[in-house]
Amino acid sequence: NAGVTQTPKFQVLKTGQSMTLQCAQDMNHNSMYWYRQDPGMGLRLIYYSASEGTTDKGEVPNGYNVSRLNKREFSLRLESAAPSQTSVYFCASSYGLGRAGYTFGSGTRLTVV
Amino acid sequence: GQQLNQSPQSMFIQEGEDVSMNCTSSSIFNTWLWYKQDPGEGPVLLIALYKAGELTSNGRLTAQFGITRKDSFLNISASIPSDVGIYFCAGPESGGSNYKLTFGKGTLLTVNP
Repeated sequence: NAGVTQTPKFQVLKTGQSMTLQCAQDMNHNSMYWYRQDPGMGLRLIYYSASEGTTDKGEVPNGYNVSRLNKREFSLRLESAAPSQTSVYFCASSYGLGRAGYTFGSGTRLTVV
Repeated sequence: GQQLNQSPQSMFIQEGEDVSMNCTSSSIFNTWLWYKQDPGEGPVLLIALYKAGELTSNGRLTAQFGITRKDSFLNISASIPSDVGIYFCAGPESGGSNYKLTFGKGTLLTVNP
């Protein structure tokens, strides 16, 4: 069982470049999430998708866009990367409400130079 | 949004010692979740608490849902080197989306063999 798969695992971008972080889950979960993790800041929600066809902003959505491609896949796009977006990005999924807990992927470490 | 305050921020202990950490909020939570993040990996759910006063164990881990519903505690008994990692508390926002989890900033645990 793969769980939540994120690609790529590592990426270096130049300021202004764009890229898409991919996330797929094979647990038939309805809800998916994107978090970023920065030292001393914990995990902060960027965007989430409660169900297929819906997306909503989280705590730190500026500079990002998302697409819920289907029930399995939820991508995060940086249109014009900035050094402030250097972070570790985690995708997560849950079957229903957040109180049931999330399953996380292993993360994408992004550096913007 | 709601904030969860975790303490201590970091701990350095000797193998075999017991560990205690806590999480507090100014708001009432109806669910408390405890996660562990190993170095280079995504967080993994350890324990979920759904009822005020609830005490739940998972091996050497014990967590409690505070009576006031504004705090939770995690204890680790007889620590071992593989307990090293970051421990996060989390809970769904009350009054907001039931899908979103708010995370504390984490407690970094180091175990000296």
